[in-house]
Amino acid sequence: GEDVEQSLFLSVREGDSSVINCTYTDSSSTYLYWYKQEPGAGLQLLTYIFSNMDMKQDQRLTVLLNKKDKHLSLRIADTQTGDSAIYFCAESSNYGQNFVFGPGTRLSVLP
Amino acid sequence: IAGITQAPTSQILAAGRRMTLRCTQDMRHNAMYWYRQDLGLGLRLIHYSNTAGTTGKGEVPDGYSVSRANTDDFPLTLASAVPSQTSVYFCASSMTGGGGNEQFFGPGTRLTVL
Repeated sequence: GEDVEQSLFLSVREGDSSVINCTYTDSSSTYLYWYKQEPGAGLQLLTYIFSNMDMKQDQRLTVLLNKKDKHLSLRIADTQTGDSAIYFCAESSNYGQNFVFGPGTRLSVLP
Repeated sequence: IAGITQAPTSQILAAGRRMTLRCTQDMRHNAMYWYRQDLGLGLRLIHYSNTAGTTGKGEVPDGYSVSRANTDDFPLTLASAVPSQTSVYFCASSMTGGGGNEQFFGPGTRLTVL
């Protein structure tokens, strides 16, 4: 079945850039998402990208997609303490029912 | 109500007991979902419903049942709870089922089965 992989932890210093990586296996993935989960809360959609795009930028967030390698990344510029959270990569296809989520990357921002 | 709500917030339950987790949305979304979140495993889909009156099985449906009598409510029932069902449960909804639709998540229910 489909699989989405992420590293579980990332630590960065405040003001640096964070890069969270994700790989997926489903070649029919059409939509790829990044969700953010703050402590004690549900998931909130940060951004998404269609599979026919290579890059999407939204303020401090940059999403890069390498469809050939099935690799997705989320770059957060000028990382702040408020960015500390768990970030989930997810994928879905046009016809699939499921969103398939990765295990989540816990981002810790150090002062 | 604004968005999607879940109840209870947390619950401790003895093994073998029956439990229903409640989920209500006021966005008139057609599709609703139940996930469990376990450390290191991310979110796994338990059951889903594309529209009122229909339900489907997700990745980990065993030991759980759902119903969708109307658009707004999507309760999840554990008929006889077991310790492996200790988890955080998230309900979500989207305008329609399938890809390309943002899923909106509730705040979660933390369930402990002893």
